Amino acid sequence: GIQVEQSPPDLILQEGANSTLRCNFSDSVNNLQWFHQNPWGQLINLFYIPSGTKQNGRLSATTVATERYSLLYISSSQTTDSGVYFCAVGLSGGYQKVTFGTGTKLQVIP
Amino acid sequence: DAEITQSPRHKITETGRQVTLACHQTWNHNNMFWYRQDLGHGLRLIHYSYGVHDTNKGEVSDGYSVSRSNTEDLPLTLESAASSQTSVYFCASSESQSPRPGQYFGPGTRLTVT
Repeated sequence: GIQVEQSPPDLILQEGANSTLRCNFSDSVNNLQWFHQNPWGQLINLFYIPSGTKQNGRLSATTVATERYSLLYISSSQTTDSGVYFCAVGLSGGYQKVTFGTGTKLQVIP
Repeated sequence: DAEITQSPRHKITETGRQVTLACHQTWNHNNMFWYRQDLGHGLRLIHYSYGVHDTNKGEVSDGYSVSRSNTEDLPLTLESAASSQTSVYFCASSESQSPRPGQYFGPGTRLTVT
């Protein structure tokens, strides 16, 4: 099956700093999603981004499908950004099953 | 507001018992998924359904079953609970023809098998 690797596994940031999280995948995909799991366990869909670039406030994501990676940018980080960020990929369209990476655990300290 | 709910939120059961975890969504989504989350493994797909009466096995389906009798519900059954099934279980849904592609998750159920 498709392999998904995320880096770094852990990240500690000072509030206000910027960061880049990376997701590498082993096969061509038609479906790539980024999720944030907050410290209470809730999973929030951040982006559906099989290719190109999207922005939502302080977060943006870029997927270069031909090179099999995606990047999640967090600017001006806040303590509420803490949690685990997951990348999930699939071979089919945006509504179908995906494979999750093991995540990047982010801690933003005041 | 439309949502996806899971019940119970926490459950403790004994080895060998049958357990059913409920998942209910009010988005009228065609597609529903069950995952388990364990430390070091991220989320792994157990079963999924692309519509009423459709069910499919995921990567870790042994010991689990699902049935889809309506659009709103996809209950997950552990036929004979084992300690290895202690985990946090998440349900998710998605819609085939949606302006918002991607999966949307319930709050999770923490299951402990003693």
